Amino acid sequence: GAVVSQHPSRVICKSGTSVKIECRSLDFQATTMFWYRQFPKQSLMLMATSNEGSKATYEQGVEKDKFLINHASLTLSTLTVTSAHPEDSSFYICSASSAGVYGYTFGSGTRLTVV
Amino acid sequence: DQQVKQNSPSLSVQEGRISILNCDYTNSMFDYFLWYKKYPAEGPTFLISISSIKDKNEDGRFTVFLNKSAKHLSLHIVPSQPGDSAVYFCAASARSKLIFGQGTTLQVKP
Repeated sequence: GAVVSQHPSRVICKSGTSVKIECRSLDFQATTMFWYRQFPKQSLMLMATSNEGSKATYEQGVEKDKFLINHASLTLSTLTVTSAHPEDSSFYICSASSAGVYGYTFGSGTRLTVV
Repeated sequence: DQQVKQNSPSLSVQEGRISILNCDYTNSMFDYFLWYKKYPAEGPTFLISISSIKDKNEDGRFTVFLNKSAKHLSLHIVPSQPGDSAVYFCAASARSKLIFGQGTTLQVKP
């Protein structure tokens, strides 16, 4: 079945630094990738949608200059949290889908802690 | 504006009994509905889905029912097993975007 690999699984960084999270589709071409954020005991909130080779579409209230998304190839998307602050601490999850094939495959998530 | 709602934050059932998880939605443009199982610090795992043109889909112990007029769907798990204990999210899709409910924590007691 479709597999999405997300790295790192957890990261701790200092305030003001930037952190990059990678999401790779291992056995299929992901034409669209999605980035979600989950606060403790809350829902998964869609942050942005990215299509390979084009700019990401951000959901309302998500700062595009803070959460940089790059989807440069059909198997890789990255989320960079720039100038991280403690309030950015959260669980980030990516999801990938392929054109013509319905379904969403999720990565295992990244626990970001900003100290 | 919460377009997908799971009004029960938790549910506890006895092993062997039926678990019924409910989900309501407001957007009539949703064309596909999915249920996911999730453990802490892990990504969601797909369980079962249903197209908006159907009212029932069954896969082993899992059955999803869709009532379009009521904008309501439910997931039935029977018989429930202790390994089913997890957080269950319903999600709805419109124009390829997936919107999640708040989740329901299911505990199946031995």
